[in-house]
Amino acid sequence: GESVGLHLPTLSVQEGDNSIINCAYSNSASDYFIWYKQESGKGPQFIIDIRSNMDKRQGQRVTVLLNKTVKHLSLQIAATQPGDSAVYFCAEKPPGANSKLTFGKGITLSVRP
Amino acid sequence: EPEVTQTPSHQVTQMGQEVILRCVPISNHLYFYWYRQILGQKVEFLVSFYNNEISEKSEIFDDQFSVERPDGSNFTLKIRSTKLEDSAMYFCASSLFRPPAGGYTFGSGTRLTVV
Repeated sequence: GESVGLHLPTLSVQEGDNSIINCAYSNSASDYFIWYKQESGKGPQFIIDIRSNMDKRQGQRVTVLLNKTVKHLSLQIAATQPGDSAVYFCAEKPPGANSKLTFGKGITLSVRP
Repeated sequence: EPEVTQTPSHQVTQMGQEVILRCVPISNHLYFYWYRQILGQKVEFLVSFYNNEISEKSEIFDDQFSVERPDGSNFTLKIRSTKLEDSAMYFCASSLFRPPAGGYTFGSGTRLTVV
């Protein structure tokens, strides 16, 4: 069935290092992907998105890479800061969906000082 | 920065009771959504709403649930005959455009506890 999953449940990185959070999706026809960040007690916060006709998109300190061949999505965070500690979710818009997003389970990023 | 506001932040209700979760979306947004997140699990889509009607709903969103936009600013989720398994964080979200033209803005959620 359709699913969006994450390879690792937790990721611990040293402050200042780069972080890479990975996500695998199963539906090759999904046309839109988003990364969200969720801090404790808050709702998901939009980080960056990418359409399926792109391979890479950059934001401020973040880059999203899309590899459609292997159905893989990654989020790169440069110079990780303590404020980046949160749960990160990837989400996809399945084919035929009007506006529904399917979320992955989430991965916890922990930044060591 | 405009934000989506949800009230209450925490709601405790007895099993079998009805609850109404309230949301004030961003004022110029046109699309409205409810998602839920059971503790430690995925964020799950419930329903989307546009032009005063449901545009999409999941299999979770059965007759127990309903949504309403009673006026120009509020968007509500009603859950009838609550069950223990309805306990979750419920997130409201809104967007100006339908994805993929941008993502949603989520509220901070209402934690529903059914006892």
